[in-house]
Amino acid sequence: RKEVEQDPGPFNVPEGATVAFNCTYSNSASQSFFWYRQDCRKEPKLLMSVYSSGNEDGRFTAQLNRASQYISLLIRDSKLSDSATYLCVVLDNTNAGKSTFGDGTTLTVKP
Amino acid sequence: GAGVSQSPSNKVTEKGKDVELRCDPISGHTALYWYRQRLGQGLEFLIYFQGNSAPDKSGLPSDRFSAERTGESVSTLTIQRTQQEDSAVYLCASSFPSGGNKNIQYFGAGTRLSVL
Repeated sequence: RKEVEQDPGPFNVPEGATVAFNCTYSNSASQSFFWYRQDCRKEPKLLMSVYSSGNEDGRFTAQLNRASQYISLLIRDSKLSDSATYLCVVLDNTNAGKSTFGDGTTLTVKP
Repeated sequence: GAGVSQSPSNKVTEKGKDVELRCDPISGHTALYWYRQRLGQGLEFLIYFQGNSAPDKSGLPSDRFSAERTGESVSTLTIQRTQQEDSAVYLCASSFPSGGNKNIQYFGAGTRLSVL
């Protein structure tokens, strides 16, 4: 079993749709959580950090459930420009800074 | 301020040759990460530096891979006797372990390595 697992998709949705991604992690000692976005043949870029209380940034909402060891990302009112691969990242500060990326979920938003 | 810089951006080499990849992190970032990303796949964690020290090198795929960091700044990833399976994009990221942007990794554009 992978340390960080994501549904690879692809998710194909129409513009304006709401889409949700989940990510599960196996290391209960994990301390920091993030969602990154990666466009084709580009480097990953931070989308948002994920906090225990949940956080929202415009059309994007991230939540963390420590008890069940998963994080989620909700995208409302999808735009064509949201098409990308979304990566969840789990950081274990107690394990020599090990950073584990999920393999990503691919989203395609269509007109 | 400049972002994370990696060089070269592209490297084509012959099987069996050694290659050296360079990463210049964001100034003041004490944490530095190396990852490998094969075509169509996710990021594979290779190694993490806190300052000049790498507490755990077990992520390096084989003993042909080594990495060092000096002056809490530049890092080099060296691959000896390259194999075709080493072909991938090698990504470097840096972060600061405290403050408002704690642990947020900023990535360079990567070095695309092709082993013929």
